[in-house]
Amino acid sequence: DAKTTQPPSMDCAEGRAANLPCNHSTISGNEYVYWYRQIHSQGPQYIIHGLKNNETNEMASLIITEDRKSSTLILPHATLRDTAVYYCIALPLPYGGSQGNLIFGKGTKLSVKP
Amino acid sequence: NAGVTQTPKFQVLKTGQSMTLQCAQDMNHEYMSWYRQDPGMGLRLIHYSVGAGITDQGEVPNGYNVSRSTTEDFPLRLLSAAPSQTSVYFCASSYGFAYGYTFGSGTRLTVV
Repeated sequence: DAKTTQPPSMDCAEGRAANLPCNHSTISGNEYVYWYRQIHSQGPQYIIHGLKNNETNEMASLIITEDRKSSTLILPHATLRDTAVYYCIALPLPYGGSQGNLIFGKGTKLSVKP
Repeated sequence: NAGVTQTPKFQVLKTGQSMTLQCAQDMNHEYMSWYRQDPGMGLRLIHYSVGAGITDQGEVPNGYNVSRSTTEDFPLRLLSAAPSQTSVYFCASSYGFAYGYTFGSGTRLTVV
């Protein structure tokens, strides 16, 4: 079972920041938080991951609370092309065997509106 | 680099037929896996491999076989297709520690 919970859907206005929350109150100390997204009918796309420090890359920022019980993925200037289902997944690192497999929940469907 | 290549993109099978979905990656990734996604649902793991010659079952392995004779290729075989196997199939690969998975564009399979 997924160790994370996410709201089923969210809306965001184009050009505004999209803040997608994820609760992971039961993850272990060695489990990273990964974010993927799936644009309609395409394969999932890796976005970002982190352990306890905030992370930023060209796609997004990841803010993890100090107690590691929740995190927020931030798309700073959402566009219509960011409309997708976003998945938050806990994964231990380093991983071996079955530990490396992604377990997808239902994710959050983000709709970016003009 | 081509990334993860899946063929075919679309396939229609009759019940009882067998076929192989192909997956190839050119990134020298050790980890490879197969997922299926049914309408309105998340992805479910079918089989995975942590390296050439090593495979194992995922959440929904029944009706599927895999093999991993090379690092690059991870084919998924449907032994006797059933309508319940109508789905979109995604192949994914990963280098391992601290890297995300790269997914293919999917194979849309219909079993009639």
